[in-house]
Amino acid sequence: GQNIDQPTEMTATEGAIVQINCTYQTSGFNGLFWYQQHAGEAPTFLSYNVLDGLEEKGRFSSFLSRSKGYSYLLLKELQMKDSASYLCAVRDLDAGKSTFGDGTTLTVKP
Amino acid sequence: DAGVTQSPTHLIKTRGQHVTLRCSPISGHKSVSWYQQVLGQGPQFIFQYYEKEERGRGNFPDRFSARQFPNYSSELNVNALLLGDSALYLCASSPSGGALTYEQYFGPGTRLTVT
Repeated sequence: GQNIDQPTEMTATEGAIVQINCTYQTSGFNGLFWYQQHAGEAPTFLSYNVLDGLEEKGRFSSFLSRSKGYSYLLLKELQMKDSASYLCAVRDLDAGKSTFGDGTTLTVKP
Repeated sequence: DAGVTQSPTHLIKTRGQHVTLRCSPISGHKSVSWYQQVLGQGPQFIFQYYEKEERGRGNFPDRFSARQFPNYSSELNVNALLLGDSALYLCASSPSGGALTYEQYFGPGTRLTVT
């Protein structure tokens, strides 16, 4: 099975940088996703890493180390609208199945 | 192009009843996955269907079933509803079911409340 750990809550200041960590133990690994989910809404895709290293996409970057079972999502130039839950998910070898962590609730303060 | 659509948006049922939730994937997408998200937790995988066949099943009881139609839309059925089935049910659409596919887009979800 899969076990995914991420912090429950984080707080940061508008304009700052925040790093959200995710560790996982898996029986099969076929990539790691990060999703953003605002309260009452569906998750929206942010990034996908399948190889080690950093993927950058605008203000958002995601890093993966498969040997360490570790990923992080880096958010730069934080905006108030970035306040949301950030979900780390590991895709199983069965491509349609992803196991999600419980999410990190990020609060951005002025 | 329209995104993933789900119906109904909200639903209230009584314990013991059954419910059918519907999902239409993005045009051209052939794979649909269903997830249950209880408040305060991440989504939990229920089923994946690709080309009308079940490709994966999560750790849910047999009260949960699903199917995919020739137009790739899908239904999730839950029988003998329990209070613990109250959750947001999410449908996710992917272009295919293959290992090279990483795109997965979620619909707005159906909020089910069991009383």
